[in-house]
Amino acid sequence: KAGVTQTPRYLIKTRGQQVTLSCSPISGHRSVSWYQQTPGQGLQFLFEYFSETQRNKGNFPGRFSGRQFSNSRSEMNVSTLELGDSALYLCASSRSVPTNPNEQYFGPGTRLTVT
Amino acid sequence: GDSVTQMEGPVTLSEEAFLTINCTYTATGYPSLFWYVQYPGEGLQLLLKATKADDKGSNKGFEATYRKETTSFHLEKGSVQVSDSAVYFCALNGNRDDKIIFGKGTRLHILP
Repeated sequence: KAGVTQTPRYLIKTRGQQVTLSCSPISGHRSVSWYQQTPGQGLQFLFEYFSETQRNKGNFPGRFSGRQFSNSRSEMNVSTLELGDSALYLCASSRSVPTNPNEQYFGPGTRLTVT
Repeated sequence: GDSVTQMEGPVTLSEEAFLTINCTYTATGYPSLFWYVQYPGEGLQLLLKATKADDKGSNKGFEATYRKETTSFHLEKGSVQVSDSAVYFCALNGNRDDKIIFGKGTRLHILP
């Protein structure tokens, strides 16, 4: 079956702009988590959605937001982009909550570069 | 709060060398511990796990033992291959809020 897909794979934006990233989970998976990966900080949890509701949120400013649709697809939005937002954004899906790492599958990520 | 500390990379080894990537954690209670691997251009994959003290996780020749007394979960492999070149992440799930806490990752380069 198809894996987790993320679009776009690469993105270049300018400071001050906003960006929307998309994640389509594996069919049948209802939980979607988002992570930010940077060389300095490693992998940091952004938020988790299940059945269109945000279940958990990491320590990121309000410029970072997300949502989940009825078909489980999820989007995350970053407004007023800063240079430090340049990162690989990973999405992971799982069938249910609580998240079981055995059943959590990651997408390839969206590489965001802010100039 | 819960945290994971792993050795900084990059780690460069020759093929067939012995590998150790150190990982220590801080957590209340009894977390589950994991190693993930990220191959170039791909997302993370769960490599192995251990859910209680003295458990040994193993997969693809990699092993890690949950050591509660030293709060460690070091990743080892007896003979690495070029195809093992990747970024390795140590992680824990404290089970209190379902979040998985990751270390910063260690990039591994294996030379032929």
